[in-house]
Amino acid sequence: GAGVSQTPSNKVTEKGKYVELRCDPISGHTALYWYRQSLGQGPEFLIYFQGTGAADDSGLPNDRFFAVRPEGSVSTLKIQRTERGDSAVYLCASSRLAEETQYFGPGTRLLVL
Amino acid sequence: GNSVTQMEGPVTLSEEAFLTINCTYTATGYPSLFWYVQYPGEGLQLLLKATKADDKGSNKGFEATYRKETTSFHLEKGSVQVSDSAVYFCALRRPGSNYKLTFGKGTLLTVNP
Repeated sequence: GAGVSQTPSNKVTEKGKYVELRCDPISGHTALYWYRQSLGQGPEFLIYFQGTGAADDSGLPNDRFFAVRPEGSVSTLKIQRTERGDSAVYLCASSRLAEETQYFGPGTRLLVL
Repeated sequence: GNSVTQMEGPVTLSEEAFLTINCTYTATGYPSLFWYVQYPGEGLQLLLKATKADDKGSNKGFEATYRKETTSFHLEKGSVQVSDSAVYFCALRRPGSNYKLTFGKGTLLTVNP
């Protein structure tokens, strides 16, 4: 079946702009995670959804970052007033249940100029 | 807090050489341990995992044993192939942490023919 998909695959924006990154998890997966991977680093946790609710948003770096999952499927990561330091690959992962294996999407590469 | 330390890369080997990538961790409780692999141009894929002490995870000729006494989960393969060239990430998941993964920085492996 289809894996986790993320759009866009690449996004270039200017400092101060607003961006939205989309994640389509595997059908039926209730748990959804966002991670951020900076150059030369491993992925770092941002936020975890169980169904529609954000069960853990402790990894969001500041209040410019926000994520939603209104119908318990697709999720959108929103970044306001982007900064150059936000440039990274944003990864989405999903699992059927939280305690099971996480499957990763290909990521969205964000570049803030 | 939780952390994962991997050996620094890059690692360059000839085909059929023996591979070891060291991984040690710091965590409270009894985490599950994982190796993920990222092939060029692809997303993160689970390579193997172990959920309790002395468990051995294995897949595609790779192995890693969960050593609680040394807090380690070293990745090994007896004979690498060119197709094993990728970035390898060690990760842990601590019980009660909403199942989020904590990753190491990754180790780039290049296998030459």
